[in-house]
Amino acid sequence: AQKVTQAQTEISVVEKEDVTLDCVYETRDTTYYLFWYKQPPSGELVFLIRRNSFDEQNEISGRYSWNFQKSTSSFNFTITASQVVDSAVYFCALSEASDYKLSFGAGTTVTVRA
Amino acid sequence: DAGVIQSPRHEVTEMGQEVTLRCKPISGHDYLFWYRQTMMRGLELLIYFNNNVPIDDSGMPEDRFSAKMPNASFSTLKIQPSEPRDSAVYFCASKDKNQPQHFGDGTRLSIL
Repeated sequence: AQKVTQAQTEISVVEKEDVTLDCVYETRDTTYYLFWYKQPPSGELVFLIRRNSFDEQNEISGRYSWNFQKSTSSFNFTITASQVVDSAVYFCALSEASDYKLSFGAGTTVTVRA
Repeated sequence: DAGVIQSPRHEVTEMGQEVTLRCKPISGHDYLFWYRQTMMRGLELLIYFNNNVPIDDSGMPEDRFSAKMPNASFSTLKIQPSEPRDSAVYFCASKDKNQPQHFGDGTRLSIL
């Protein structure tokens, strides 16, 4: 069975600080996908990134960056120079290539204070 | 292109009543998923369809829950009879084979 662990329940930072969200996963499949979704206070789920298991290149998109390390089964997410609008719950998720079902972590609530 | 559309956005009803949640997936997407979000259990998959056919309903909590997809542009999730423990946010998501899942805004359901 696949499993996603987000050990950090809540993180609070002051604006402009960097924040890193940890995600550790378990799967027996060799082909799988990892995701990050954002859930702002308004409640919708917003797709941020997808990574497949064969692509360990780190990715940067604006102030967001992701570090994928198969050796430690981790897919961490960093927000650089955080802003108040980054306040949200962030979910890491995993799907195996065979069925596309998403298994979500418990989420990390990020609060950015002005 | 329009995103995944769910209705209603909010539903408040009394225990024992039938509840119907609706979802219109993104046009061209051939996978549709229903998720439930609660404080206790987080986000959990209830059921998903491929080409209108249910593929995996192992997450459906009990027989009171049923889901249908009569055509490629519409799906329903029904709860009959509803119970207070069914109160949650229900999300619908869709995807095509090569894309990630895109979620609707959710239906916030309260059973009194």
